[in-house]
Amino acid sequence: EPEVTQTPSHQVTQMGQEVILRCVPISNHLYFYWYRQILGQKVEFLVSFYNNEISEKSEIFDDQFSVERPDGSNFTLKIRSTKLEDSAMYFCASSGWTSGETQYFGPGTRLLVL
Amino acid sequence: DQQVKQNSPSLSVQEGRISILNCDYTNSMFDYFLWYKKYPAEGPTFLISISSIKDKNEDGRFTVFLNKSAKHLSLHIVPSQPGDSAVYFCAANVNQGGKLIFGQGTELSVKP
Repeated sequence: EPEVTQTPSHQVTQMGQEVILRCVPISNHLYFYWYRQILGQKVEFLVSFYNNEISEKSEIFDDQFSVERPDGSNFTLKIRSTKLEDSAMYFCASSGWTSGETQYFGPGTRLLVL
Repeated sequence: DQQVKQNSPSLSVQEGRISILNCDYTNSMFDYFLWYKKYPAEGPTFLISISSIKDKNEDGRFTVFLNKSAKHLSLHIVPSQPGDSAVYFCAANVNQGGKLIFGQGTELSVKP
């Protein structure tokens, strides 16, 4: 069964460093998303991406964040200068031919900023 | 922002009995609701969904009920199995697309 994959599974970084989280969405899916879950809190929407551009972003998704689909398979989230409060699980999700289809999530990347 | 609320952080049931997980929402624009199941160190796994034009959707042991007037939905698992032990998230979106708004999750423990 097709699945969303994410790398790395864990990332430890120093405050102020740049990190890139990678995702391979389900093949043939057209809509891509990033969410995050800070420990003990809700899963929160960060950004959605369709047709090579951001379709929606949350207040969390400030200038420190960017997304890119550099090739036909990868979808990345970059945090330019990490802060302690960026420590969280980051989940990538994708959905099919329309935005109304079910979103399928990857296993997540646990980011720890020291 | 408490648009989707799961007021029970945990629920414990005996194997074979019914598990009922509840979810309330405040945004009347929500028209699509989903339940996800999450094991530790894994991503949310889609379980079942319901459109606002329906009041019930069933898939095997899982049934979701939607009460639009009360802005309430529930997930019934019958019979409950130990493998169902996980955190269950309720989520909603508008126009059946776009960002999902999640509840806080309910940790279900099914005891043998």
